[in-house]
Amino acid sequence: QEQLVQSGAEVKKPGASVRVSCQASGYLLTGYYLHWLRQAPGQGLEWMGWINGYSGDTDYAQNFQGRVTMTRDTSINTAYMDVSRLTSDDTALYYCARRAAGTLSPDIWGQGTRVTVSS
Amino acid sequence: DIVLTQTPLSSPVTLGQPASISCTSSQSLVHTDGNTYFSWLHQRPGQPPRLLIYEISNRFSGVPDRFSGSGAGTHFTLKISRVEAEDVGVYYCMQATQFPFTFGQGTKLEVK
Repeated sequence: QEQLVQSGAEVKKPGASVRVSCQASGYLLTGYYLHWLRQAPGQGLEWMGWINGYSGDTDYAQNFQGRVTMTRDTSINTAYMDVSRLTSDDTALYYCARRAAGTLSPDIWGQGTRVTVSS
Repeated sequence: DIVLTQTPLSSPVTLGQPASISCTSSQSLVHTDGNTYFSWLHQRPGQPPRLLIYEISNRFSGVPDRFSGSGAGTHFTLKISRVEAEDVGVYYCMQATQFPFTFGQGTKLEVK
């Protein structure tokens, strides 16, 4: 069964950094792009960027340039997203989602990782 | 950034009746490769979104045929022929034609 399993909830102080992991099972990360998105409480969806699972190349949304880094470790079929200089505006549910084969939309989604930024 | 505007933002519907959601883009979503990377997603409370429709009108694997997508350029529509209880939740349109990929604000479908 193809699925993405994300790391657990995080509570961080303003100015800190957070790493969210996303482990793929049932398929190889190297065969697909992986989207990263977030959803603030009660809000809609925001695309943060994606990573090419094969090459490691990334594209980031301008809003997150310089503050977000997406990487992957193919030996353990896991992707990571690091977000630095956190503020309360970064409090959200963070998702990884696989780019569907043959198109660009996200098909398989992780369960989400709640990140809370609070002093 | 491309702005996607959904209407309505809330849609009370009767089970068994049809429902329709529109999404208008601030610019054409036709990619230079000729495809239109426009999709619809559905999110139930407490769950991640799931893909319903991709490239305007293609139903994703396992999506019931009561869901259909149409449109072109800047105007797109999602139709549900007969709403079932499991269809409640929030529907989002999404474009992946131009970076950054963007979403509509969401339309909440609820049963009357």
